[in-house]
Amino acid sequence: NAGVMQNPRHLVRRRGQEARLRCSPMKGHSHVYWYRQLPEEGLKFMVYLQKENIIDESGMPKERFSAEFPKEGPSILRIQQVVRGDSAAYFCASSPGSYNEQFFGPGTRLTVL
Amino acid sequence: GENVEQHPSTLSVQEGDSAVIKCTYSDSASNYFPWYKQELGKRPQLIIDIRSNVGEKKDQRIAVTLNKTAKHFSLHITETQPEDSAVYFCAAGYQKVTFGTGTKLQVIP
Repeated sequence: NAGVMQNPRHLVRRRGQEARLRCSPMKGHSHVYWYRQLPEEGLKFMVYLQKENIIDESGMPKERFSAEFPKEGPSILRIQQVVRGDSAAYFCASSPGSYNEQFFGPGTRLTVL
Repeated sequence: GENVEQHPSTLSVQEGDSAVIKCTYSDSASNYFPWYKQELGKRPQLIIDIRSNVGEKKDQRIAVTLNKTAKHFSLHITETQPEDSAVYFCAAGYQKVTFGTGTKLQVIP
């Protein structure tokens, strides 16, 4: 059973470009969570999704950020018009239900030049 | 929303000694309390978790205690080894969890 997959592992963008981060949950998991981690800091919750639904996006900036988890395919975290402050590691996690252990992916390290 | 505080931010212990990390939370509705270990440059990995209907849980050298009345929970690592060196995060919540700010544990050989 493959674990949570994220790609790309490293992503470099120039200011103003778009960043698309993908997350494939573990088989059988229908709940996906996205977190942002700055160097030497903790994990900040961004958004919680189930298939085709956003359950909680209270941690997501109102502008430039969006997330989806379609019926088919991976979950996507999209950052439009990136700025240097968006540079961070973005982790997704999946679980079979909302009260279960979250399994983390390896993360995508975004660098904005 | 939930607010989780974690102390200390850094902790150095001699190999073989015990390490204790403490967390407090604010939302009395929280009923799930996981602990994650994150090594440098790697993903967080669950090491132990506890639910609100249990006061204590142990797994080999690791134990977690929960005091729902006081809204605090703690991680205890006994007989620490150099490979225990990492950053440890507590979390609390129900439908989603909120993470603490992390404790950097250094085990000195």
